[in-house]
Amino acid sequence: RKEVEQDPGPFNVPEGATVAFNCTYSNSASQSFFWYRQDCRKEPKLLMSVYSSGNEDGRFTAQLNRASQYISLLIRDSKLSDSATYLCVVGTTDSWGKLQFGAGTQVVVTP
Amino acid sequence: GAVVSQHPSWVICKSGTSVKIECRSLDFQATTMFWYRQFPKQSLMLMATSNEGSKATYEQGVEKDKFLINHASLTLSTLTVTSAHPEDSSFYICSASPRLYEQYFGPGTRLTVT
Repeated sequence: RKEVEQDPGPFNVPEGATVAFNCTYSNSASQSFFWYRQDCRKEPKLLMSVYSSGNEDGRFTAQLNRASQYISLLIRDSKLSDSATYLCVVGTTDSWGKLQFGAGTQVVVTP
Repeated sequence: GAVVSQHPSWVICKSGTSVKIECRSLDFQATTMFWYRQFPKQSLMLMATSNEGSKATYEQGVEKDKFLINHASLTLSTLTVTSAHPEDSSFYICSASPRLYEQYFGPGTRLTVT
C-alpha cells in the first residue's frame, strides 16, 4: 500500500465551477500535511499547509480528517490558471523533516 | 525570498559517463537538502537526505556509490550520477530546507542518457 494515495484524475472542470478531491495517508502518526501544485515539467510549489481545524486561502480550502486519515482540497471559482497537478504531501515522523508525496491529482479547467 | 537554483536544467549524456547536478539556496541557508527523482506520471521519490558536513542518508534501494552526494556548505549540495545508464534518465529535483518540513524546490534537472 502506498503511503500517500490520490485519485490521478483528470478532473475536468468548467471555468468558474468548484472541484474537490481527497488523498489518504497510511501513517496515523503523521503530523504535517501540505498541498503542492506542480505544473507540467516543473518543480512542485507549496500551495498551502493543512491545519487540523481546516484552513482557507482565497479560493482554496483544505481540510484534514485524522480519524479517517484523509486530506481534502477544494477549489472554488476555478480559473484556467488552476490547471495543474495537485500533490498531496505528508511530513514523515523522522527527525529530518522528510516529505512523502502522492502521485498527484490532475485538474484541467476548461473555458 | 526562498529561491533555490539547480544547474544544469537539462543534460544529455552518453551511457557510462558521469553527470554532476548542483543545487543552491540563493537567499537562505539550508542545513538539510533533499534529492528527489520523478519519472513521468509518478510521484516524487526521495533519493537521499543531505546534511551539511556529514554523509548523506540514502533511501532504501538507492545506490550510494552510483548517486554521490556532497553537501559542501549551507547553500550548496551536489548530486553526481556516476556511470549513467539509460534507465537513469529522469527528472531530478532538489529541495533546500531551512526549517523542519519547510522545503523549497529547485527547478529540476532533466537528464537523458543515450
